Amino acid sequence: QLQLQESGPGLVKPSETLSLTCTVSGGSISSSSYYWGWIRQPPGKGLEWIGSIYYSGSTYYNPSLKSRVTISVDTSKNQFSLKLSSVTAADTAVYYCARHPHADYFLDYWGQGTLVTVSS
Amino acid sequence: SYELTQPPSVSVSPGQTARITCSGDALPKQYAYWYQQKPGQAPVLVIYKDSERPSGIPERFSGSSSGTTVTLTISGVQAEDEADYYCQSADSSGTYLVFGGGTKLTVL
Repeated sequence: QLQLQESGPGLVKPSETLSLTCTVSGGSISSSSYYWGWIRQPPGKGLEWIGSIYYSGSTYYNPSLKSRVTISVDTSKNQFSLKLSSVTAADTAVYYCARHPHADYFLDYWGQGTLVTVSS
Repeated sequence: SYELTQPPSVSVSPGQTARITCSGDALPKQYAYWYQQKPGQAPVLVIYKDSERPSGIPERFSGSSSGTTVTLTISGVQAEDEADYYCQSADSSGTYLVFGGGTKLTVL
């Protein structure tokens, strides 16, 4: 059974860079069939797609966040990572990692999510 | 930027049928997907490609599409179906994913 697990600091200071890692188990991140993505949800609000990456390193990002986001992949560790720069309180959210098929856009497996708070 | 529009809330009595709509200009070109999210939990995919149901999702969940609007229908609503529901799709070019604002389903 595929499992995804987010990890990283739960508290980040304003103007700094948020860094999270998603570890995939029960399947290979190098599968040619899937993209791997990040989604976030501010407390009490809706879902927002951040971006996705293919095992080859090909990425696509939410246009509204593109200038601050970098997603990378480490196939040797079966992990992919998110960096979000110049964070503000508006970036406080539960961050999820998830999988979607290469030729489609639905997210079929999700991590449990991790809360990241931006505060000094 | 592209947006998907959902009603903020829908209320139904147990055993009745709930219908949640989602509107977007690119929906005639792109499939829609639906997720159920209960408090403190990650979203769960309940419908993909407008009307397909993943394994393990009860048959009372169904989806349909007509023009720029897609609909999630829950027949014979049960108390356990009370949750937030999100539609999701892609822009017309398939360059980014987008979620609707979410609909809170209340079972009276």
